[in-house]
Amino acid sequence: SQQGEEDPQALSIQEGENATMNCSYKTSINNLQWYRQNSGRGLVHLILIRSNEREKHSGRLRVTLDTSKKSSSLLITASRAADTASYFCATDAHSNYQLIWGAGTKLIIKP
Amino acid sequence: GAGVSQSPSNKVTEKGKDVELRCDPISGHTALYWYRQSLGQGLEFLIYFQGNSAPDKSGLPSDRFSAERTGGSVSTLTIQRTQQEDSAVYLCASSSPLAGDYEQYFGPGTRLTVT
Repeated sequence: SQQGEEDPQALSIQEGENATMNCSYKTSINNLQWYRQNSGRGLVHLILIRSNEREKHSGRLRVTLDTSKKSSSLLITASRAADTASYFCATDAHSNYQLIWGAGTKLIIKP
Repeated sequence: GAGVSQSPSNKVTEKGKDVELRCDPISGHTALYWYRQSLGQGLEFLIYFQGNSAPDKSGLPSDRFSAERTGGSVSTLTIQRTQQEDSAVYLCASSSPLAGDYEQYFGPGTRLTVT
């Protein structure tokens, strides 16, 4: 079964709005990562948050981690058309070196 | 510097034929991963190499799939007697976890179509 499960499966918002995606996982982790995949740039790492961190920022991205609820959220503020992509969370539950991937959230930013 | 490269970018093959997919990881990265991604789906782990250790083959779906990594660098994923359900994008990634960098760097993938 999947370790990371993203929610919602698909999200469509207007440009300029904020987008929030959630990820839940089942077992203890050392860190959780978010990746973005679009047709232009392939699969690209966005941000890593460690299990002892609760929030992390990178530009317009904000990631939170709640280890008690085994969940994480990715917030993209002031969305742009270029943010249209699929977003995946990945956790390292099996080892520090392998990642377990969710099915992703497909985000569409409407102009 | 150069990223992860994969070849070919596209491969169309007839059912029953063997195919070889190649991955050139980032120089110095000790870890190399192969994943499979079907249309609109997440990543399915196939196999993982870490340095000179025995690879973790737990994700390989059948004995038709095999992979090797020569000299700790280039890797080849081989699929024998291809089936239509093997059609997918095969992604390779590398990382340097022993250096504390857990980010995986992905190649552009090989799109395999079995007819």
